[in-house]
Amino acid sequence: SQQGEEDPQALSIQEGENATMNCSYKTSINNLQWYRQNSGRGLVHLILIRSNEREKHSGRLRVTLDTSKKSSSLLITASRAADTASYFCATDALTGAGNMLTFGGGTRLMVKP
Amino acid sequence: DVKVTQSSRYLVKRTGEKVFLECVQDMDHENMFWYRQDPGLGLRLIYFSYDVKMKEKGDIPEGYSVSREKKERFSLILESASTNQTSMYLCASSLLPRDYGYTFGSGTRLTVV
Repeated sequence: SQQGEEDPQALSIQEGENATMNCSYKTSINNLQWYRQNSGRGLVHLILIRSNEREKHSGRLRVTLDTSKKSSSLLITASRAADTASYFCATDALTGAGNMLTFGGGTRLMVKP
Repeated sequence: DVKVTQSSRYLVKRTGEKVFLECVQDMDHENMFWYRQDPGLGLRLIYFSYDVKMKEKGDIPEGYSVSREKKERFSLILESASTNQTSMYLCASSLLPRDYGYTFGSGTRLTVV
């Protein structure tokens, strides 16, 4: 069952612009993670933010987490054509057992050169 | 570089065949997972394993079984392949404790004809 829902489902921007993707979830979480998937390939882990953190940075990526609204956002700054991919949020539910993630449906990002 | 290796990138099988999808990780991870990914449905968990010879059903285990005889290898078995099992299959592994991301394989695109 899907816990996280990404918004928008698809996003098209020009190279150099910023891309923002949002994720909403339903139950309390231990952490939230973002993954990238290039077409026809496996997912790659980008960043993990714990429930007691509000913001995290990794290179051109900025993730925020608002546990009161049960939402997160992923910002990619100064986008490049190579950022074209699908992006998924995944949540580790607080009541779950062990390291179990539930993935959302993803946002398809296209960055035009 | 840490790796999850799936034995085949593309596979075509006939209806009724028994199909084995193999996944090997070299990171000494305790957890291993099998997902299927379909357009509009996101990633759905089929089975997972926390330890050797241990397996747990995920959200959609029907028509599948798994085997984990060694820590590094997690096999997905389609007992009698059907056309509705045509999909992208993704294997992942992770450390047991929470707050660790998953490492995914490149995926196996299975077509059942």
